[in-house]
Amino acid sequence: SQQGEEDPQALSIQEGENATMNCSYKTSINNLQWYRQNSGRGLVHLILIRSNEREKHSGRLRVTLDTSKKSSSLLITASRAADTASYFCATDHYNTDKLIFGTGTRLQVFP
Amino acid sequence: DAGITQSPRHKVTETGTPVTLRCHQTENHRYMYWYRQDPGHGLRLIHYSYGVKDTDKGEVSDGYSVSRSKTEDFLLTLESATSSQTSVYFCAISADRGRSPLHFGNGTRLTVT
Repeated sequence: SQQGEEDPQALSIQEGENATMNCSYKTSINNLQWYRQNSGRGLVHLILIRSNEREKHSGRLRVTLDTSKKSSSLLITASRAADTASYFCATDHYNTDKLIFGTGTRLQVFP
Repeated sequence: DAGITQSPRHKVTETGTPVTLRCHQTENHRYMYWYRQDPGHGLRLIHYSYGVKDTDKGEVSDGYSVSRSKTEDFLLTLESATSSQTSVYFCAISADRGRSPLHFGNGTRLTVT
């Protein structure tokens, strides 16, 4: 299976702290995307990073990509209770028509 | 939610009955996808469509069929539901396969008893 893996599976932090979650994948990619899912809702796209990019920012989000290690990380700075959600990475692989999702990280931010 | 509507939102059905889930979009996007989400498995692709009447299988397509007769509608059918198909089903759309973000519906929770 090409499915990516994320770690940790669950993360609990206090408001104001930073949250880092990681994604690893197995085969070469065109791009990697991060999504957020609030309980009972569909996934929402956060950020897309292409294989020739190393870092990307969007507001309080910072994504890095290391293609040599086949891994990516998502950093949420100065977390808020509203950031409580599950976060998924998804990879677009060469010669496929599909996005492959990881198993997700559940983030709990305590006020 | 980017103009995607899934129906029904919840359904309980018995083993062996046929079930059809509907995804309707107002974005005129070419690509449409059906995923299922189960604890410990993340999202897994069932089928996808790259145009009207153009569909292909995903990684967990056994027991499912799809149809797309119009750009805006993508139907997922379970011909004879089994308990292993109890799951949350998500439809997603995108303008370009893999290269652009997916926009998801809010899901259908299906329980097969």
